[in-house]
Amino acid sequence: DTGVSQDPRHKITKRGQNVTFRCDPISEHNRLYWYRQTLGQGPEFLTYFQNEAQLEKSRLLSDRFSAERPKGSFSTLEIQRTEQGDSAMYLCASSLGGLGEKLFFGSGTQLSVL
Amino acid sequence: RKEVEQDPGPFNVPEGATVAFNCTYSNSASQSFFWYRQDCRKEPKLLMSVYSSGNEDGRFTAQLNRASQYISLLIRDSKLSDSATYLCVVLVLNAGNNRKLIWGLGTSLAVNP
Repeated sequence: DTGVSQDPRHKITKRGQNVTFRCDPISEHNRLYWYRQTLGQGPEFLTYFQNEAQLEKSRLLSDRFSAERPKGSFSTLEIQRTEQGDSAMYLCASSLGGLGEKLFFGSGTQLSVL
Repeated sequence: RKEVEQDPGPFNVPEGATVAFNCTYSNSASQSFFWYRQDCRKEPKLLMSVYSSGNEDGRFTAQLNRASQYISLLIRDSKLSDSATYLCVVLVLNAGNNRKLIWGLGTSLAVNP
């Protein structure tokens, strides 16, 4: 399968714990995005990378959230000291960039904070 | 006013009906436009890009009206499998020449037998 893959598919954690998610984009794609989505809402932008550079980070993102893409390939999203409001689907997408900017999404990681 | 607005629906239509969704955007610097489809508890998938001249893909037709700042999606002869949420996405040029994708909240479609 050469699509975008995310791991884990589901994560249940207790409030206050740290969690880390991984995303492997389509190999030739240089752009990688993280989104968060709750039921009935559209995807909410978190951050994106051009190769290994983090070019933009949403102002909605608290300093408990950090993302990395160390070698311009896979990316990790870490949430520290999780809160119940962090419960959501975390979606990763990749693209070739350019004006076309067609995103290909992974299946997401469903986070439940108890 | 939201940057990208869609009627959330739900639109309930019988099989075989024609249904149309509109999406309005506020940023005149918007450069590219897309429709994505999202099934319940699944990831969004690109349905089609929207070009100024309008484009068609089988039963789906997308159009762009830059003067009025809206895009539309028309589905003809709707099938049960078309039931999903349709998300409008707009690519804008930020200050600093950064591109940013703005997502609508989606329009829910239910096609009934």
